Amino acid sequence: ILNVEQSPQSLHVQEGDSTNFTCSFPSSNFYALHWYRWETAKSPEALFVMTLNGDEKKKGRISATLNTKEGYSYLYIKGSQPEDSATYLCAFPMIYNQGGKLIFGQGTELSVKP
Amino acid sequence: DVKVTQSSRYLVKRTGEKVFLECVQDMDHENMFWYRQDPGLGLRLIYFSYDVKMKEKGDIPEGYSVSREKKERFSLILESASTNQTSMYLCASSLTSGPNNEQFFGPGTRLTVL
Repeated sequence: ILNVEQSPQSLHVQEGDSTNFTCSFPSSNFYALHWYRWETAKSPEALFVMTLNGDEKKKGRISATLNTKEGYSYLYIKGSQPEDSATYLCAFPMIYNQGGKLIFGQGTELSVKP
Repeated sequence: DVKVTQSSRYLVKRTGEKVFLECVQDMDHENMFWYRQDPGLGLRLIYFSYDVKMKEKGDIPEGYSVSREKKERFSLILESASTNQTSMYLCASSLTSGPNNEQFFGPGTRLTVL
């Protein structure tokens, strides 16, 4: 059974704070690592799909890094804003070509207070 | 833009009723998925389908069945609804089975079984 672990489970920060959280995944048979953002009352949306060790991706104030050898990815938010409040999910493809199935972590729930 | 729609945002059913949740995607995606989301448990895969009439069990298929008669439509069926099936149900689709393919989610159906 593959486990995808996220920490912390929840995070409360003040507007303007920078924050980061972690996704741990099996380091063997790595294919890709996905990050999704899920805002309340909306659908989860993909932020990043990362494939290469050492990869770093950025979208506005959000960035992510990937270490496939040790099996972790960090998501960083610089200068958090209330609109960043959401649950952030990471997901790991189960096996190549198995119908696109993803194993999701439990998520990190971020709350940014004005 | 990929659009994934679900037939209802909120649904209230009684124990023992047969329940149909419908999902439609408009971008000719091969794969479709049904998840449920419960507090503290993250997204759990119920069933998925990688082609018309093809289906695979996910992690928690008990009490559910699915149907995919057309490529764009994936139905989740609760044969005899029970109170422990009260949950948020999310449908998703992805273009192909490659590990880089992000999933696109519908808005979710919050089902309450009384």
